[in-house]
Amino acid sequence: NAGVTQTPKFRVLKTGQSMTLLCAQDMNHEYMYWYRQDPGMGLRLIHYSVGEGTTAKGEVPDGYNVSRLKKQNFLLGLESAAPSQTSVYFCASTSGGSNQPQHFGDGTRLSIL
Amino acid sequence: AQSVTQLDSQVPVFEEAPVELRCNYSSSVSVYLFWYVQYPNQGLQLLLKYLSGSTLVESINGFEAEFNKSQTSFHLRKPSVHISDTAEYFCAVSRSGGYNKLIFGAGTRLAVHP
Repeated sequence: NAGVTQTPKFRVLKTGQSMTLLCAQDMNHEYMYWYRQDPGMGLRLIHYSVGEGTTAKGEVPDGYNVSRLKKQNFLLGLESAAPSQTSVYFCASTSGGSNQPQHFGDGTRLSIL
Repeated sequence: AQSVTQLDSQVPVFEEAPVELRCNYSSSVSVYLFWYVQYPNQGLQLLLKYLSGSTLVESINGFEAEFNKSQTSFHLRKPSVHISDTAEYFCAVSRSGGYNKLIFGAGTRLAVHP
């Protein structure tokens, strides 16, 4: 069982370039999330989705867009990358309900030069 | 709104010694409490959670945490640590009845030395 799979695992971009991070889950989960992890700041929620075709802003949404066209996939886009977006990005999913644990992917390490 | 404070950014400890990682939270509504562990170059894994009932919860690998409502704390403890416990530990809360949005603390890096 793969769980939550993130691609790519590493990427280096130049300022102003665009890219899309892909998250796929095979657990039939309704809810999916994108977080960024920065040293000394824990994980901060960027965007989330409570079902196919729905998205909502989290704590730090500026500079990012998301789409959930299929239930199993959640895409995170950077339209014009900035050095401040250098971070480790994690995707997570859960079956729903705030008492359920979230299942995390292994992360994407993104550097913006 | 909720917030989580992990009082120690780093905790060094010798193998087989006890350890406590401290977590305090702030919330005006009922919350669920979680501890997640992150091993190097991996994602987060659930260690244990408090939803309701007994205030002492345990994990399968010897960790335990106690929910203290009056002190708004959820400290993580282990009586005897192993080298393999070296990892970063995150305390998190979610609002009961909400959309399962986790609020994380900044993390505590546990370093177990031989």
